[in-house]
Amino acid sequence: DARVTQTPRDKVTEMGQEVTMRCQPILGHNTVFWYRQTMMQGLELLAYFRNRAPLDDSGMPKDRFSAEMPDATLATLKIQPSEPRDSAVYFCASGTGGGETQYFGPGTRLLVL
Amino acid sequence: GESVGLHLPTLSVQEGDNSIINCAYSNSASDYFIWYKQESGKGPQFIIDIRSNMDKRQGQRVTVLLNKTVKHLSLQIAATQPGDSAVYFCAENIRPTGRRALTFGSGTRLQVQP
Repeated sequence: DARVTQTPRDKVTEMGQEVTMRCQPILGHNTVFWYRQTMMQGLELLAYFRNRAPLDDSGMPKDRFSAEMPDATLATLKIQPSEPRDSAVYFCASGTGGGETQYFGPGTRLLVL
Repeated sequence: GESVGLHLPTLSVQEGDNSIINCAYSNSASDYFIWYKQESGKGPQFIIDIRSNMDKRQGQRVTVLLNKTVKHLSLQIAATQPGDSAVYFCAENIRPTGRRALTFGSGTRLQVQP
């Protein structure tokens, strides 16, 4: 049963610390998405990769967030330095072709104190 | 601005009844729509999709209807079960700029009463 995996599932950190979230897309999928979900904003697209190349990261605060795909089996989202307003659930999703149907991971619940 | 929105934030139905969840979209260039189900503590799960060249598509117990004239999308769930309780999101694919990413609506919570 192929699925997207994310680590860690939960992360509590203090303001100013670096946070790294990891995602393993479904094998064979060539598109990867990072979303942030909060009660106030709902699901927001942060970044989008196709064939490991970033296609769109306009939804991501550039000064503190960065997203990369070191290889086809790993996507990372880093926040440095983290702030309390970054507290949210971060989802990774993967898909094929144009990234139309996206399969979501279980999410990383981040709390920045 | 372009957006995807939902008419009803919470829908409560009796077990066994049919449920209808509605969604409005504003971008006439959108050509692909998806319904996702999100249970508490989990990621959104794909339910069903539909392209703009169709007006109806059926799955197992679910049907999606698309009315492009009024830019309206609905998800019908037949014989609703307690396991259907979740938040349902509609999402659209917007292609004007070549960007192939989904824009999600705010979600509707479905509560199934036993």
